[in-house]
Amino acid sequence: EVRLVESGGGLVQPGGSLRLSCTTSGFTFTNYWMTWIRQAPGKGLEWVTNIKQDESEKFYLDSVKGRFTVSRDNAKSSLYLQMNNLRAEDTAVYYCAVPGINYWGQGTLVTVSS
Amino acid sequence: DIVLTQSPLSLSVTPGQPASISCKSSRSLLESDGKTYLYWYLQRPGQSPQLLIYEAINRFSGVSDRFSGSGSGTDLTLKISRVEAEDVGVYYCMQSIEVPWTFGQGTKVEIK
Repeated sequence: EVRLVESGGGLVQPGGSLRLSCTTSGFTFTNYWMTWIRQAPGKGLEWVTNIKQDESEKFYLDSVKGRFTVSRDNAKSSLYLQMNNLRAEDTAVYYCAVPGINYWGQGTLVTVSS
Repeated sequence: DIVLTQSPLSLSVTPGQPASISCKSSRSLLESDGKTYLYWYLQRPGQSPQLLIYEAINRFSGVSDRFSGSGSGTDLTLKISRVEAEDVGVYYCMQSIEVPWTFGQGTKVEIK
């Protein structure tokens, strides 16, 4: 059974940092680009970042460039998102996914508020 | 960035009746490999999105044959041949031909 489990979300003040983790199992993690997608409360889906299998290529949404860093640990089949200098507009449920083959986690909520 | 415009934004359908959602792209999603990089997802209330159609026209494994995708280039369509109660939720199109990947605004489908 394919599983993607996000963790690390929570309440953080503006300007603060969080590190999200996505632990996966049930598929060959090293075969796939991995993606973070977010969804603000009551809003639509928004792509955040992609990372290639060997970390040689990474792409980011313009509004998070320089603040967010995606990484992966292939030995642990895990994906990470380091989020710095957080803003209120980063408040969202963050999903890790391989969307093209329907692998999605349940999401972790990040709330940026004072 | 590629803009995907969905219409309608909401749909109220009688069970057993068909439904159609349009997704218009600001540029062609047809790649040189012949594939159209457009995906359709359904997000049921309180759940993660689930893939219905990939590369514009291919039904994902396990998805009901009531769902079909058509179109190419800039005009894509999702059709539900006979809407059922379990089809309620928000439908999104997404393009992955170039970064940033972008989504349509979503179409909320409810049952009359």
